[in-house]
Amino acid sequence: GAVVSQHPSWVICKSGTSVKIECRSLDFQATTMFWYRQFPKQSLMLMATSNEGSKATYEQGVEKDKFLINHASLTLSTLTVTSAHPEDSSFYICSARETGAYSNQPQHFGDGTRLSIL
Amino acid sequence: AQTVTQSQPEMSVQEAETVTLSCTYDTSESDYYLFWYKQPPSRQMILVIRQEAYKQQNATENRFSVNFQKAAKSFSLKISDSQLGDAAMYFCAYSPKYTGTASKLTFGTGTRLQVTL
Repeated sequence: GAVVSQHPSWVICKSGTSVKIECRSLDFQATTMFWYRQFPKQSLMLMATSNEGSKATYEQGVEKDKFLINHASLTLSTLTVTSAHPEDSSFYICSARETGAYSNQPQHFGDGTRLSIL
Repeated sequence: AQTVTQSQPEMSVQEAETVTLSCTYDTSESDYYLFWYKQPPSRQMILVIRQEAYKQQNATENRFSVNFQKAAKSFSLKISDSQLGDAAMYFCAYSPKYTGTASKLTFGTGTRLQVTL
């Protein structure tokens, strides 16, 4: 089955540090990947849609300069939390859909990254 | 904008019994997709079942089935013969029928299901 690998699974860092999270589709190509944020006991909130070879589309209220997204290849998207602060602590999840697939095909989710900013 | 509502923050079911989780949604589209995802304590998102809006037949996957009422914009999940491994957070999700960037998922707030002995 389609596998999405997300790395790292857990990161703890000091305030002011920039943190990069990788999302890789291991056995399929993904023109589009999605980045979600999930607070404890809450739902997944879409942050942005990552498009291979072009700029990401951010949801309303998400700071583009704070959450940098790069989708340089059909199998890799990265989310960089710049100058992270404690309020950025959260669980971040990526997902990917196979290139050319219709939206009835499920998004394949990574295992998530727990980000803790001290 | 599409919205998805899950009005049951928590539900409990005894092992081997049946439980139904509710979901309603709002959309102006006539064709779309609906999903139920399970998120266990590991926090991995697992697809449970999906429904295409143009199909009148309710989707079924083993012990999981849905009751899709398009006119009422209702999409409930029935879990039969509940097992301890079914304990998780369940999210209802909506997706428009497009390819590419427009096909993003909108999630409900989730229902935490407890399974007791």
